[in-house]
Amino acid sequence: AQSVTQLGSHVSVSEGALVLLRCNYSSSVPPYLFWYVQYPNQGLQLLLKYTSAATLVKGINGFEAEFKKSETSFHLTKPSAHMSDAAEYFCAVSDASAGTASKLTFGTGTRLQVTL
Amino acid sequence: GAVVSQHPSWVICKSGTSVKIECRSLDFQATTMFWYRQFPKQSLMLMATSNEGSKATYEQGVEKDKFLINHASLTLSTLTVTSAHPEDSSFYICSARDSGRAGSTGELFFGEGSRLTVL
Repeated sequence: AQSVTQLGSHVSVSEGALVLLRCNYSSSVPPYLFWYVQYPNQGLQLLLKYTSAATLVKGINGFEAEFKKSETSFHLTKPSAHMSDAAEYFCAVSDASAGTASKLTFGTGTRLQVTL
Repeated sequence: GAVVSQHPSWVICKSGTSVKIECRSLDFQATTMFWYRQFPKQSLMLMATSNEGSKATYEQGVEKDKFLINHASLTLSTLTVTSAHPEDSSFYICSARDSGRAGSTGELFFGEGSRLTVL
């Protein structure tokens, strides 16, 4: 079984400040890990993904995440927050060995608020 | 990137009626689609896996007779909420994987979601 824990359901940062959204995973098999962003009343957009290549993954909109197996973590960061980053962020895990129909298991989400 | 479209985006219906939500992959073929349900300020819960040409696989606790899924073509899956009740009100999101891409890494493309309100 796989699971994802996102610490902090709500994070508030000032514009221009560092963004850090935490994600820890549990998996008995090698995982694929993902970060998605969701704006109000919309579907999910992929920010970045880890698929067992480079452990430091760069995504869209200046976000990046680092896979740390020893810490079972995949935290999302951005050096400088922008107002447009305010949204809900979901970390997700899938089974890398499950083939093309592997399911995603999502964390509970973190709402990012960006203030002036 | 690949596009997945859901229709309708919003639907309001009376209790006891049935509602159909469509999920289309616009520029790729998808042998597998997934249906999620999201309650306000909560995460996405997988309801079922929709397989083209075969029966859907439902997650534990999801009533298959309540949530009918049909995946009749490689670009279309439908979710029908039968005899809807107010507790079925939710945000339903579908996702699909491009079957034509070799070496799938698990990335899914998500629809915009469909908000169902049952009065």
